[in-house]
Amino acid sequence: GENVEQHPSTLSVQEGDSAVIKCTYSDSASNYFPWYKQELGKRPQLIIDIRSNVGEKKDQRIAVTLNKTAKHFSLHITETQPEDSAVYFCAADKGGGSQGNLIFGKGTKLSVKP
Amino acid sequence: DARVTQTPRDKVTEMGQEVTMRCQPILGHNTVFWYRQTMMQGLELLAYFRNRAPLDDSGMPKDRFSAEMPDATLATLKIQPSEPRDSAVYFCASGLVRSGAGELFFGEGSRLTVL
Repeated sequence: GENVEQHPSTLSVQEGDSAVIKCTYSDSASNYFPWYKQELGKRPQLIIDIRSNVGEKKDQRIAVTLNKTAKHFSLHITETQPEDSAVYFCAADKGGGSQGNLIFGKGTKLSVKP
Repeated sequence: DARVTQTPRDKVTEMGQEVTMRCQPILGHNTVFWYRQTMMQGLELLAYFRNRAPLDDSGMPKDRFSAEMPDATLATLKIQPSEPRDSAVYFCASGLVRSGAGELFFGEGSRLTVL
């Protein structure tokens, strides 16, 4: 079935450094690729998303790149801060998105050390 | 600030007991999802509804789990009988799906512990 692989599962960086999280997906019909941030004990919240007609999208310190041919997309966080520490989930819509159903990766726990 | 509301926030129960979790989606959203989160499996889709009609519940163990949406303001997830392996955080999420997938708004989750 459709699958989303996410790497690494844990990532530790020094404050100010960049962090990169990578995902690959299997459903060639996927068109929508969001990233969610989940702080400890909280709900997942959307931080950025990208659709298949765009190769890159940026919002302040975060950016997402998409390579539809290779079926992979990445989250880039620059100038990391301690408040960026959280679990990050990538996702891809299933079957072209007509149902709104998202398949999530297993998450990356990011730790930013002051 | 519209939010998805879930109850209970925390539930501890004994094996064999019935558990019902409730969700009030954001008004105007047409799609409601139930996800289960565990350390090992991450976020797993259990079931979802479009305009209150069930679309897919293939992720749900049918013998003990059931999901319903009796009206537009309430979605329920029931486990009967509960087992220790059901211990997890259950999230409800809602979204407005029109021409394609979009942002999902998650509730705060219901943390279930089955002893």
